[in-house]
Amino acid sequence: AQTVTQSQPEMSVQEAETVTLSCTYDTSESDYYLFWYKQPPSRQMILVIRQEAYKQQNATENRFSVNFQKAAKSFSLKISDSQLGDAAMYFCAYRSGGGGSNYKLTFGKGTLLTVNP
Amino acid sequence: EADIYQTPRYLVIGTGKKITLECSQTMGHDKMYWYQQDPGMELHLIHYSYGVNSTEKGDLSSESTVSRIRTEHFPLTLESARPSHTSQYLCASSELPAYGYTFGSGTRLTVV
Repeated sequence: AQTVTQSQPEMSVQEAETVTLSCTYDTSESDYYLFWYKQPPSRQMILVIRQEAYKQQNATENRFSVNFQKAAKSFSLKISDSQLGDAAMYFCAYRSGGGGSNYKLTFGKGTLLTVNP
Repeated sequence: EADIYQTPRYLVIGTGKKITLECSQTMGHDKMYWYQQDPGMELHLIHYSYGVNSTEKGDLSSESTVSRIRTEHFPLTLESARPSHTSQYLCASSELPAYGYTFGSGTRLTVV
């Protein structure tokens, strides 16, 4: 079974600075997808960024980018120019690309990001 | 803007009551999921559905039950609520593997 590990339960960053959240995963599959989700306090979980395993190019979405190291099974999230609205719980997630997986996501335990003004 | 809706947003109920948490989506997704989120914020899959009349138990054992009579609707029922059921319940739906989940806003359930 696949596992996702987020080794940083909490992180903090100064406003306008850059922060990197770590995620590692364990899988024997070659076809899969990786995601970062953001859950602000008492608000809806939303997708921040996603990465297809077959793409070597790292995904970027505005201030958010990933460092995808397939051989190392690492998928870190970099947030540049941090804003107060970035404060949230961040979840890393894995999804098999193969059939029969029910499309289930496997989540890490989350990293709570605090942004200091 | 959410295309998946959960009601109620908050619910406080007494022990022994029967409750149904509603989840509806307007995206036509076949696959839907219920997660229980513990106080430490960890997510546990408790039920999922491939489509109409298809439901399966998830990774975490739960006393709740689900049904899927219509594509858009995936309610979760607790026949007799207990304080141990106090938690946040998140509903999600999915299309293709590449697109992840779309989540609802969640229901925060407190059983007193």
